[in-house]
Amino acid sequence: GNSVTQMEGPVTLSEEAFLTINCTYTATGYPSLFWYVQYPGEGLQLLLKATKADDKGSNKGFEATYRKETTSFHLEKGSVQVSDSAVYFCALSDQTGANNLFFGTGTRLTVIP
Amino acid sequence: EPEVTQTPSHQVTQMGQEVILRCVPISNHLYFYWYRQILGQKVEFLVSFYNNEISEKSEIFDDQFSVERPDGSNFTLKIRSTKLEDSAMYFCASRYTLLAKETQYFGPGTRLLVL
Repeated sequence: GNSVTQMEGPVTLSEEAFLTINCTYTATGYPSLFWYVQYPGEGLQLLLKATKADDKGSNKGFEATYRKETTSFHLEKGSVQVSDSAVYFCALSDQTGANNLFFGTGTRLTVIP
Repeated sequence: EPEVTQTPSHQVTQMGQEVILRCVPISNHLYFYWYRQILGQKVEFLVSFYNNEISEKSEIFDDQFSVERPDGSNFTLKIRSTKLEDSAMYFCASRYTLLAKETQYFGPGTRLLVL
């Protein structure tokens, strides 16, 4: 079946620190992979995605590379800002049927000045 | 920028009562979804909807749940007789096509508390 395992949180970093949030997946076929972000009081927003192996998704300084050999899609950012404080969700879509999303548990990131 | 909206933002109800959660998807989207997140757990798929019928549903989506698109703009999730374990954040989502380049757009969620 399809599942996503995500690094447990919460994560607290100082501003300008390096961020890694680990994500691994199990899927049938060739899934697309996503990172969604949820800022306080808001809905889930797509942060970045990759639709095939070795693709790198990037947005707002965040990036993640689709690694088929390690079934991973780790999120990284070189220098976090206070405004990056949010909950980050890794997700996959197995590209069958209605392309439903399978999510990880989410990782809460707090960046302190 | 178009967005998915959901009402209410919070709902408190008594066990056994019916609740209707409302969503207005982005206007030209064709595929609609409901997900839920029980506090501290994963966001879980409930149901997808296309062309006025359910496309897929998870094992969570039992006979107590129903969805409809009553007027071409709203997309509703009804829970017929709520249980304590239905307490969760419910997210609506929509997308235009199923092409890989398209993504699902989510609403802000409705937090449901069943007492």
